[in-house]
Amino acid sequence: QVRLQQWGAGLLKPSETLSLTCAVYGGSLSGYYWNWIRQTPGKGLEWIGEINDGGSTSYNPSLRSRVTISLDTSKNQISLKLTSVTAADTALYYCARPWRSGAARSLSYWGQGTLVTVSS
Amino acid sequence: AIQMTQSPSSLSASVGDRVTITCRASQGIRNDLGWYQQKPGKPPKLLIYAASSLQSGVPSRFSGSGSGTDFTLTISSLQPEDFATYYCLQDYSSPRTFGQGTKVEIK
Repeated sequence: QVRLQQWGAGLLKPSETLSLTCAVYGGSLSGYYWNWIRQTPGKGLEWIGEINDGGSTSYNPSLRSRVTISLDTSKNQISLKLTSVTAADTALYYCARPWRSGAARSLSYWGQGTLVTVSS
Repeated sequence: AIQMTQSPSSLSASVGDRVTITCRASQGIRNDLGWYQQKPGKPPKLLIYAASSLQSGVPSRFSGSGSGTDFTLTISSLQPEDFATYYCLQDYSSPRTFGQGTKVEIK
């Protein structure tokens, strides 16, 4: 059974870089689009971006200048970096994978979520 | 970006009720839409993909319909475990966008 386990620093100061990792167990990175999503009480669910197994990325324009999603195939991990964070980036961050490989996009596998708080 | 307008934002219903939630896209998205259920402290769970296909393991009381701009999630007979928040997510184009959510509460 596929399992996504994520981790990263939970408390950041303004202007620091958010860095999260999502490890994939029980499955391969190959053939899928790997997504990052965040959730706040105020803005709800927000798609951050995705990367495919070839390393091609697509980002939300609202975050594009600050976000990088990358793969480490040797470790079966996906990473998210968000630079110059502010309080507005305080959120619960999820990694997620579609229900099947190829063109499918609906997300059936999710990490447990990582709460990131930005505060001075 | 495509805007997804979900309604209602909340509803109160009783066990056994039929519940309908709608999402309207600001432009046509074919059938590239999924429905998700989220309970407190948990990530969203995929219920429906491609607007009307039931994800494996999801009870058949959940169904989805629609294409183009108007989509519906129906719970045919609400069960106690269905009290949760529901979201739609369009998969048609980047950036992908969620509806604002519908909280289904006990009446």
